[in-house]
Amino acid sequence: ETGVTQTPRHLVMGMTNKKSLKCEQHLGHNAMYWYKQSAKKPLELMFVYSLEERVENNSVPSRFSPECPNSSHLFLHLHTLQPEDSALYLCASSQVGNSPLHFGNGTRLTVT
Amino acid sequence: KQEVTQIPAALSVPEGENLVLNCSFTDSAIYNLQWFRQDPGKGLTSLLLIQSSQREQTSGRLNASLDKSSGRSTLYIAASQPGDSATYLCAVRGAGGTSYGKLTFGQGTILTVHP
Repeated sequence: ETGVTQTPRHLVMGMTNKKSLKCEQHLGHNAMYWYKQSAKKPLELMFVYSLEERVENNSVPSRFSPECPNSSHLFLHLHTLQPEDSALYLCASSQVGNSPLHFGNGTRLTVT
Repeated sequence: KQEVTQIPAALSVPEGENLVLNCSFTDSAIYNLQWFRQDPGKGLTSLLLIQSSQREQTSGRLNASLDKSSGRSTLYIAASQPGDSATYLCAVRGAGGTSYGKLTFGQGTILTVHP
């Protein structure tokens, strides 16, 4: 079992749907992250939760809504998305401080 | 604003060759630099992390160096194998006073090692 687990692996949704991405980490970390990876672009940081408090919102549209109910779980709630939101969404975790990030395998999202 | 550039964008080599991947960054005020590997459709696997006070890190056939003052890092892969084929990503964490790991990524180098 990997340290960071993301579900679902693949998601296809219409522009009017509401769905959620889930991330769970089993590493005892206290910081969690959402990154977006689009084709031919570098990974972009979306949100950071440190000690269960949102500390970074990187100018992300409000149609993306994160939730961190505890230090092990992170959600990304999606509603009224656009086709350009199709991408690989990656969750990561780390220990607060100067430690490496550990990534999940991502959710491949397609918006039709 | 930190910018990270990786050269080359793609590299194809025969099995057994030693190779070097390059990463440069514009702001030398960093906490650390991390190299990742990404297989198609998968997440990122951390390969090496170099703290700003270090010059290099080694893991098996991989060696990463850091020259913070010039804003450069290299990833050296010895005796390449087909299983090394993947995208290699470089990411830097800025020394901006945050306690969490906000990383700036390069676009990656796509490596193909053919038998």
